Amino acid sequence: GQSLEQPSEVTAVEGAIVQINCTYQTSGFYGLSWYQQHDGGAPTFLSYNGLDGLEETGRFSSFLSRSDSYGYLLLQELQMKDSASYFCAPSSGNTPLVFGKGTRLSVIA
Amino acid sequence: KAGVTQTPRYLIKTRGQQVTLSCSPISGHRSVSWYQQTPGQGLQFLFEYFSETQRNKGNFPGRFSGRQFSNSRSEMNVSTLELGDSALYLCASRRPQETQYFGPGTRLLVL
Repeated sequence: GQSLEQPSEVTAVEGAIVQINCTYQTSGFYGLSWYQQHDGGAPTFLSYNGLDGLEETGRFSSFLSRSDSYGYLLLQELQMKDSASYFCAPSSGNTPLVFGKGTRLSVIA
Repeated sequence: KAGVTQTPRYLIKTRGQQVTLSCSPISGHRSVSWYQQTPGQGLQFLFEYFSETQRNKGNFPGRFSGRQFSNSRSEMNVSTLELGDSALYLCASRRPQETQYFGPGTRLLVL
């Protein structure tokens, strides 16, 4: 079986840094992806960690530790437009990604 | 390169009817997956098709079915609609071992 845990909600101040954690249990684990979804929109790909360590893409960074079955998404210099839901999604080879219920991030002024 | 397209974007049906949703993947992507998203359950995997064959299936009743054509386009069908089938239905395409790219979704309302 597969399971995912993410906080359901996070609130942070504009300009600050926020970290969204993800723990998972999957078989045949391959990599960890992060998606962003605004209300009424479709999920959009943010980043992918195929190896342990940190991946940086502009204001967003993602980290993976396979030994701990743990990853996180780090958002810096938060902007109001970052208010959205964020999903971590383990990928198991050719098996489709498994999504949890996501973390709803609210950025406040 | 064009993204994943889904038609229709919005749909209203009544209980007991059936519905067919369509998905055209990104050119060159042969894997198409379908998801149902509801406020209560989040994103749930329905099924995945690759080269016209269903490769994986989620935990949904047999009323939910799908197929893929030789050009990789995919359709999903829901028969005997129930109120609880009201949801955003998302299609995603990808190459093997790569991440998925989602379409805009079809928002289905069952009355």
